[in-house]
Amino acid sequence: AQSVTQLDSQVPVFEEAPVELRCNYSSSVSVYLFWYVQYPNQGLQLLLKYLSGSTLVESINGFEAEFNKSQTSFHLRKPSVHISDTAEYFCAVSRSGSARQLTFGSGTQLTVLP
Amino acid sequence: DTGVSQNPRHKITKRGQNVTFRCDPISEHNRLYWYRQTLGQGPEFLTYFQNEAQLEKSRLLSDRFSAERPKGSFSTLEIQRTEQGDSAMYLCASSLGALAGDNEQFFGPGTRLTVL
Repeated sequence: AQSVTQLDSQVPVFEEAPVELRCNYSSSVSVYLFWYVQYPNQGLQLLLKYLSGSTLVESINGFEAEFNKSQTSFHLRKPSVHISDTAEYFCAVSRSGSARQLTFGSGTQLTVLP
Repeated sequence: DTGVSQNPRHKITKRGQNVTFRCDPISEHNRLYWYRQTLGQGPEFLTYFQNEAQLEKSRLLSDRFSAERPKGSFSTLEIQRTEQGDSAMYLCASSLGALAGDNEQFFGPGTRLTVL
C-alpha cells in the first residue's frame, strides 16, 4: 500500500514570491507521482506527473517538481507565484506499471496575497 | 466531448434514503474510477472499472454502496440507507486505458451529497 503526506495544510505567500509545497510518500513498490490542482468550484486537474526518466518535471504554467527517490519526496515549486495560482494542491501516488488508482495526500491550500 | 460529467451536482437527502449518482466518462476512455472526498481531505479511492468489469473495490465501499458500468460507458454509484457519515463529495474520473502511458486520470466536477 502507498501513502502520501503533505506537510503543510495551508501556505500563504505574497504575489511574485517563490513557493514550495512539500510532499512525501511511502511505498514498498515503484510508483508514479502526480500533482493535481483544484481551483474553487472546479474539478481536479492534473498539473504534472512523474512516470520515469528525468526526475525534474515541469508544467505549462511555471510549476516544477522533482522526484527524489532517496528522500521519497516530490515537492512542488514555483519561482514566482500569481494571484491566479490560489488553489488547493494535491499530491498523489499510484503503483507503477499500469493505470492504477491514485492515493492522495490531504492537500495544501495555497493562498497568494497581493 | 468536453470532459467527465457527473449528475446531479448536488444532492440533499434524508438519512435512510437511497441515492444514485451518474458519471459519464470521456468517450474513448476504458477505465472509470470513483473516489470520495470529505472536507479537508484528499480524495479516497472507492472502486474502478475496466470497461464493464469492476476490477477493484476499496474497503471503504461498504455493502450499502454499489457501482455499475453497464456496456462499459456511463457508470452509476448507488448508496442505500444513507447515513450522515456518507456526506461527502463523490468524484468520478476516467483514463484512457491500462497502459503505463495512460495514467492521467481526468476528473469530473463531483456530486456533493448532504445527508440530513
